[in-house]
Amino acid sequence: SAVISQKPSRDICQRGTSLTIQCQVDSQVTMMFWYRQQPGQSLTLIATANQGSEATYESGFVIDKFPISRPNLTFSTLTVSNMSPEDSSIYLCSVEGSGVYEQYFGPGTRLTVT
Amino acid sequence: AQSVAQPEDQVNVAEGNPLTVKCTYSVSGNPYLFWYVQYPNRGLQFLLKYITGDNLVKGSYGFEAEFNKSQTSFHLKKPSALVSDSALYFCAVRDWDSSASKIIFGSGTRLSIRP
Repeated sequence: SAVISQKPSRDICQRGTSLTIQCQVDSQVTMMFWYRQQPGQSLTLIATANQGSEATYESGFVIDKFPISRPNLTFSTLTVSNMSPEDSSIYLCSVEGSGVYEQYFGPGTRLTVT
Repeated sequence: AQSVAQPEDQVNVAEGNPLTVKCTYSVSGNPYLFWYVQYPNRGLQFLLKYITGDNLVKGSYGFEAEFNKSQTSFHLKKPSALVSDSALYFCAVRDWDSSASKIIFGSGTRLSIRP
């Protein structure tokens, strides 16, 4: 299984500002995924990020609000732009294991917007 | 469209008793099914999967799941529950309508094991 780290682990931000979350994987992976999770709730996929191409966003999520970078096969960033209290959530990155179908998840970034 | 349903928001079991967390699925292709667990303030951990083969699949921490095609179910089970099994459990299914390797998650079931 892949080992995934995220930075920061948590942050408290002012509304109107932006936060960039980093995701680092210990092995090269083709696709990385970004999810949002309200505490105790299910996961909602924000976007899929392939290296060398534009991220693919799910319905309800747009690039201007959640720009994603994928500069190489082990790293991705998600930016939450112009934040409002409704963006308070846990943000998780994940990757699909090599040769398998399950995804492996990072520890998450807990964001609180005041 | 693919989907999974977890009909129970919460399951309460006494330690030492068997536990079952229910999941039903709806898929247009082959049912690739997964169970994940989330302990408090931690990310999701992969428990087990069904891709093909034996209907009873074994996973981490003594958990197993039974794939039932006729009932379109994939219930998670453990013969003897531990207090440390208390966590949030998610059933998930591979999304065949997507070109990417997307997984769709159920709403989650909170498992509480009392001593």
